[in-house]
Amino acid sequence: DAGVTQSPTHLIKTRGQHVTLRCSPISGHKSVSWYQQVLGQGPQFIFQYYEKEERGRGNFPDRFSARQFPNYSSELNVNALLLGDSALYLCASSLWTAFNSGANVLTFGAGSRLTVL
Amino acid sequence: AQSVTQLDSHVSVSEGTPVLLRCNYSSSYSPSLFWYVQHPNKGLQLLLKYTSAATLVKGINGFEAEFKKSETSFHLTKPSAHMSDAAEYFCVVTPYDKIIFGKGTRLHILP
Repeated sequence: DAGVTQSPTHLIKTRGQHVTLRCSPISGHKSVSWYQQVLGQGPQFIFQYYEKEERGRGNFPDRFSARQFPNYSSELNVNALLLGDSALYLCASSLWTAFNSGANVLTFGAGSRLTVL
Repeated sequence: AQSVTQLDSHVSVSEGTPVLLRCNYSSSYSPSLFWYVQHPNKGLQLLLKYTSAATLVKGINGFEAEFKKSETSFHLTKPSAHMSDAAEYFCVVTPYDKIIFGKGTRLHILP
């Protein structure tokens, strides 16, 4: 089985532009969550989606948005890019939403590395 | 509020010697705690998890961690380091609808 796939793997944008990142979950997983990992830091939770509905949100500005499609894939959109948005963006899929359940293991993709110039 | 603190940003050990990566947590109730590993250019991989069962948790690749409520700690250990263990390690605490990562500890293995 394919793991969690993310695209693109690398991209370069300039300030003020918009970016869309994509994530395909493991087959059978209905929940997708997104994370921002700035160089030298741990990942920070951005969003969680389950059955196309937002189920959790981290402390990120409204420039960040996401959606989930009927096939459970997901997009993360970032508008009006800032230099500080340069980071590795990680997607994880899981069976359901509970982060604290030992039975609900998160499987991460390798990430999309965004550089904003 | 829940939080997690990884006490060392870098740890260096010689191959074949024990590994200790330290993590303290803050939680208003009994937490779920996890350790993840991140190898360069790869996604995060779950090493082990504590979810209120046995306090000594065994994970993959010979790693284990002990939940100590009195010390609010969840330190990661391995008896004998291998070169392939060189990576970034993250301690994680999970409130129900959120997930909080520590800042990470980079483990260096010296030959």
